[in-house]
Amino acid sequence: DAGVTQSPTHLIKTRGQQVTLRCSPKSGHDTVSWYQQALGQGPQFIFQYYEEEERQRGNFPDRFSGHQFPNYSSELNVNALLLGDSALYLCASSLGLVSSYEQYFGPGTRLTVT
Amino acid sequence: GENVEQHPSTLSVQEGDSAVIKCTYSDSASNYFPWYKQELGKRPQLIIDIRSNVGEKKDQRIAVTLNKTAKHFSLHITETQPEDSAVYFCAATGTASKLTFGTGTRLQVTL
Repeated sequence: DAGVTQSPTHLIKTRGQQVTLRCSPKSGHDTVSWYQQALGQGPQFIFQYYEEEERQRGNFPDRFSGHQFPNYSSELNVNALLLGDSALYLCASSLGLVSSYEQYFGPGTRLTVT
Repeated sequence: GENVEQHPSTLSVQEGDSAVIKCTYSDSASNYFPWYKQELGKRPQLIIDIRSNVGEKKDQRIAVTLNKTAKHFSLHITETQPEDSAVYFCAATGTASKLTFGTGTRLQVTL
């Protein structure tokens, strides 16, 4: 049973560039949520995708966008990168939108913006 | 929106002692409270969770309690072992599985 996978593992970008991160959910899951975890802090919710639509969004600017594909995998895109975007980006998968369903995290993508 | 506070930020215990981490939440509509363990450089791992219709849940050495009236919940680890050393995060859901996390507790278990 495949768990949540993310790619790439690490990424280094320059300010102003754009980046795309990818996530494949755990087998049987259909909902993907993205989180940003700055060093020494708890994960912060970015947005959530279900049935290929953004269902919820956290307090992040429009530079952060995403997509979900028919196979439930998802992408996170960040435009016009800022130094402050340096963080560990985690995706979590779950089943449906019911709040009591467990969320399982992928290993994350470490993004460094220079 | 939901706000989750977590204490203490660091906790050092001797092997075999118990550890308690406490969290409070603000949204009375929250109904799901998971706890995650994150080792250095690793993903957060779900270790236990509790739903608002129960007051306590136990899984071997780990237990979680929930007080809906006071809007706080706690993680209890008994007979701590060195491999319990990690950062622990509490979280709460306000609506539709959007997790709001606490700031984390760094637990160190010393020999």
